[in-house]
Parts: sequence; C-alpha cells; structure tokens
Amino acid sequence: SQKIEQNSEALNIQEGKTATLTCNYTNYSPAYLQWYRQDPGRGPVFLLLIRENEKEKRKERLKVTFDTTLKQSLFHITASQPADSATYLCAPSLLGGFKTIFGAGTRLFVKA
Amino acid sequence: EAQVTQNPRYLITVTGKKLTVTCSQNMNHEYMSWYRQDPGLGLRQIYYSMNVEVTDKGDVPEGYKVSRKEKRNFPLILESPSPNQTSLYFCASSYRDRESGANVLTFGAGSRLTVL
Repeated sequence: SQKIEQNSEALNIQEGKTATLTCNYTNYSPAYLQWYRQDPGRGPVFLLLIRENEKEKRKERLKVTFDTTLKQSLFHITASQPADSATYLCAPSLLGGFKTIFGAGTRLFVKA
Repeated sequence: EAQVTQNPRYLITVTGKKLTVTCSQNMNHEYMSWYRQDPGLGLRQIYYSMNVEVTDKGDVPEGYKVSRKEKRNFPLILESPSPNQTSLYFCASSYRDRESGANVLTFGAGSRLTVL
C-alpha cells in the first residue's frame, strides 16, 4: 500500500537559517506532490506543488525538490522567521486521483 | 471570500446520539472530501465526492455516511457515534489544476468532536 513518511520529530532552527523538511514515499509513483502548511487548530493551507517532470520549484522563500529516483521531496524555507513555525504536510498524488493522501507532517519551530 | 465552512466547530456528544457536521463551499468546486486527523496518524480520508450524487469511500469510512445533494454542500453524518470517533474533522473542496492536473484542496477550519 502507499506509504508516506515525514520526520515525526520536530525541527528546531534559529531565525534566519534554512529549514529543510523531508517527505519520502513508497509503493507508488506520484505524478505530482503538494505541500501544505497547518497551524495549530486550523485547517491545512496549500503552499505549492511540483510535478514529476520538474526537479525544483520556487515560490518566494520556499523551494521544493522532487526526486523520483529517490522517491523523495525536500521542502526548504530560506531565511526562516518565527512566523514560519507550523506543521508542514506533504501529499504525493496520482494524476486524476481524488484520494489525496497526506503524510503525518513535520512540526517546525523557528526560534527568534 | 472563497472558503469552506464547517459547523459545528466544537461538539461534545454521547455514544449513540446521531449527529451531522455540515460543510459548505462557495467556490463552485466539483470535488469535496472529509478527513479526520488524529495525533500521530495525520489526515485520513473518510469519504469523497466527485460531483452531485457521486460519492465514494476513502480510507476510513466505517461509521460514517455522506450525501451530496447539492454542489456546495457535503454533510458528514455519524449515525451512532462511538468514542473512537473522537477526532478533529476537516472538510475540503478542490479543483483540478488545468496546468498540472493536480487536485488542489481548500480546507475548512475544522470541527473538534468528542464522543463520551
């Protein structure tokens, strides 16, 4: 069955540093991968997506990579700020599918 | 404002007392779905709907029912709630991104349900 792994341990970094979060998947080949941000007590919010034929995607301070050989996506936040503290969820998905499956998320704490 | 609205946001109920969590979206999205979120397990899909009168089971449908009589509404029904259905529930609507073919979700604020 499809399996998605995100680091369950919280990531603690200093303000201004680059945060790197990992998403690994097994037993399927997603056509695209989405990243969402979730704040405590709120619904996830879509951040960006990357397609299987794209190696890297950028949006402001965010950068996502997608390595279909390693079956892994890396999510980077450069020049991190305390306001970036949240849980980040990845969702590798099949094309045309309606069953979007999410990883359990990684909690990020950015310390001032 | 484009949004997904869920009600109630918080509910404490007792075992066996039927309840409905409503969900409404104002974005004219075709697709809607329900998730539950539990510590350590992440988001798990309960049911989804591709369009009016078209629904299908997600990964954890047991104990839940849904209906899609109108495009904008997708209520979640717990006919006989049990304590193991205590959870945080999210409704989401989505559109198909034309460029990527991706199903991009917009979530509601969540409904925290406690079943005693």
